[in-house]
Amino acid sequence: DVVLTQSPLSLPVTLGQPASISCRSSQSLVFSDGHTYLSWIQQRPGQSPRRLIYKVSNRDSGVPDRFSGSGSGTDFTLKISRVEAEDVGVYYCMQATHWPPYTFGQGTKLEIK
Amino acid sequence: EVQLVESGGGLVQPGGSLRLSCAASGFTFSSHWMQWVRQAAGKGLEWVSHINNDGTDTRYADSVKGRFTVSRDNAKNTLYLQMNSLRAEDTALYYCVRDWYGVDFWGQGTLVTVSS
Repeated sequence: DVVLTQSPLSLPVTLGQPASISCRSSQSLVFSDGHTYLSWIQQRPGQSPRRLIYKVSNRDSGVPDRFSGSGSGTDFTLKISRVEAEDVGVYYCMQATHWPPYTFGQGTKLEIK
Repeated sequence: EVQLVESGGGLVQPGGSLRLSCAASGFTFSSHWMQWVRQAAGKGLEWVSHINNDGTDTRYADSVKGRFTVSRDNAKNTLYLQMNSLRAEDTALYYCVRDWYGVDFWGQGTLVTVSS
């Protein structure tokens, strides 16, 4: 199974400052069709998860443009350009390239300093 | 508006069974693969099962293989998860998830508690 390793696992950030989360895969996430099925998922406290980014860098509908995804192969990053209070929660990376199973990272808890 | 509404969770004794349902609306259900993902209290996300759009292909996590069965009724826009031989470690919030380039839209979840 593909193992996704996130860092950091805890991320205290000052409001208005940028934040960055890394996700490293145990193997390349490039699928045979040339696409990379790496997503980023946000889970606010007490809420269902919500996908923010799919195929490395594509924002889902309604996702603010302060969220961006980048990376290739085995190394990926989620960046928040300016953290807002509503961004508090846990962020997961997820791969759908080598399945079953779909696998998730351990989660990164973002909090406001 | 896309909606996924899970139901069927509850308290069950070890070895018991439950059938979860997920009613879908706001999109063409029969065009999408669907997934079940679970989350134990305070823990991360764990993929449970997959079903393709016409129900002919199903996949399972090793932890549930042989005990859980996923199915769908496209005429009723409903996804199911039949869970047998339940164990304490199956206790979790179970999410129904639409698949589009991976896990896309999530329901609110239904809580399954396995305890004597």
